Amino acid sequence: DTEVTQTPKHLVMGMTNKKSLKCEQHMGHRAMYWYKQKAKKPPELMFVYSYEKLSINESVPSRFSPECPNSSLLNLHLHALQPEDSALYLCASSQELSGTGELFFGEGSRLTVL
Amino acid sequence: KNQVEQSPQSLIILEGKNCTLQCNYTVSPFSNLRWYKQDTGRGPVSLTIMTFSENTKSNGRYTATLDADTKQSSLHITASQLSDSASYICVVSDLTGGGNKLTFGTGTQLKVEL
Repeated sequence: DTEVTQTPKHLVMGMTNKKSLKCEQHMGHRAMYWYKQKAKKPPELMFVYSYEKLSINESVPSRFSPECPNSSLLNLHLHALQPEDSALYLCASSQELSGTGELFFGEGSRLTVL
Repeated sequence: KNQVEQSPQSLIILEGKNCTLQCNYTVSPFSNLRWYKQDTGRGPVSLTIMTFSENTKSNGRYTATLDADTKQSSLHITASQLSDSASYICVVSDLTGGGNKLTFGTGTQLKVEL
């Protein structure tokens, strides 16, 4: 099973809403990532978890709050977002945080902030 | 600053024809170079990963080359199909920063037409 599953596929929310994006993998990977991708742009790294601990935070605004409840799950909690936060949010995983292993991406969650 | 540049920005070819996409990078110290295929609104899918010692790697109709001396890579697609229409992203990993902090190119948008 070489799948990273993201839910929901589409999400529309207002600026005062609280919502969450979810990501799950069952490949035994110990590193998980959140990327943000705007149209026609490459993905931008937001957060990296290694062994369920936050390893990298790319100076992301606090309205985005990651959570790694266990080694298979990664959440991204959203609160008080802005319209410019509308984007495709990609979750990815790799065996380790070593930079040499393959990175598996999910299908993404398309977020629209009204 | 690490950079990955891809050319052309976009490309239209007829079904059955071959094409070659280019990637130049200035990432240092180099760890590996990856090519991903991304369909519109979907997550990237890995095509190849090459380390410093690898010159060529194939995955079906996709063949990637790497010249670590000139810091150039190419992705050759043979006998193109309509399903090859996608964005092709070159991604380079370096050995610093705790791993898997990748530098993404802006992609080449390929369209295969009848």
